Amino acid sequence: GESVGLHLPTLSVQEGDNSIINCAYSNSASDYFIWYKQESGKGPQFIIDIRSNMDKRQGQRVTVLLNKTVKHLSLQIAATQPGDSAVYFCAETNQAGTALIFGKGTTLSVSS
Amino acid sequence: NAGVTQTPKFQVLKTGQSMTLQCAQDMNHEYMSWYRQDPGMGLRLIHYSVGAGITDQGEVPNGYNVSRSTTEDFPLRLLSAAPSQTSVYFCASSPWQGAITGELFFGEGSRLTVL
Repeated sequence: GESVGLHLPTLSVQEGDNSIINCAYSNSASDYFIWYKQESGKGPQFIIDIRSNMDKRQGQRVTVLLNKTVKHLSLQIAATQPGDSAVYFCAETNQAGTALIFGKGTTLSVSS
Repeated sequence: NAGVTQTPKFQVLKTGQSMTLQCAQDMNHEYMSWYRQDPGMGLRLIHYSVGAGITDQGEVPNGYNVSRSTTEDFPLRLLSAAPSQTSVYFCASSPWQGAITGELFFGEGSRLTVL
């Protein structure tokens, strides 16, 4: 079946470090991948997305890398700040393109 | 610009009671969906809709009903609440082009407790 998983449930970093959050996916036919940030008590917020015809996409302080050979997705956050502390979810489209399938999430804790 | 609005934000029910979680979006999105979020489980899809009059089941549809009479609204109904339905519920919407091709916009969530 389809599943999206994250390698680590928690990640702790110091302010100013670069953070890397990893995600493995199982559906090789997925066309679209997305990262969300969820702060406590709030809904998921879009961070960055990438389509299957790309292997890298950059935003402001964030980069998403897609390795389709090993079905691996990663989110890199540069110069991590305390405000980046949240739960991060990766998601992929299902085979029909009718839903996003979410991973279980990685909790990022940033200490100053 | 309201985006996706969910009501109520908090609700406590007794087992067997019924209720409706409301979701409205003002972005003219054809695609709307309901997810539930449980600790350690990520978000799981309950039902979705790709336009008025069209609904379909997601991963965990049992115990929930939906309808889509307008583009703006997508209510989620619990006909007979059970403790297993204690969760945080999120409504999300997106443009629809025959498939999801962009981000889902999420509401702030509705926290439901069933005693």
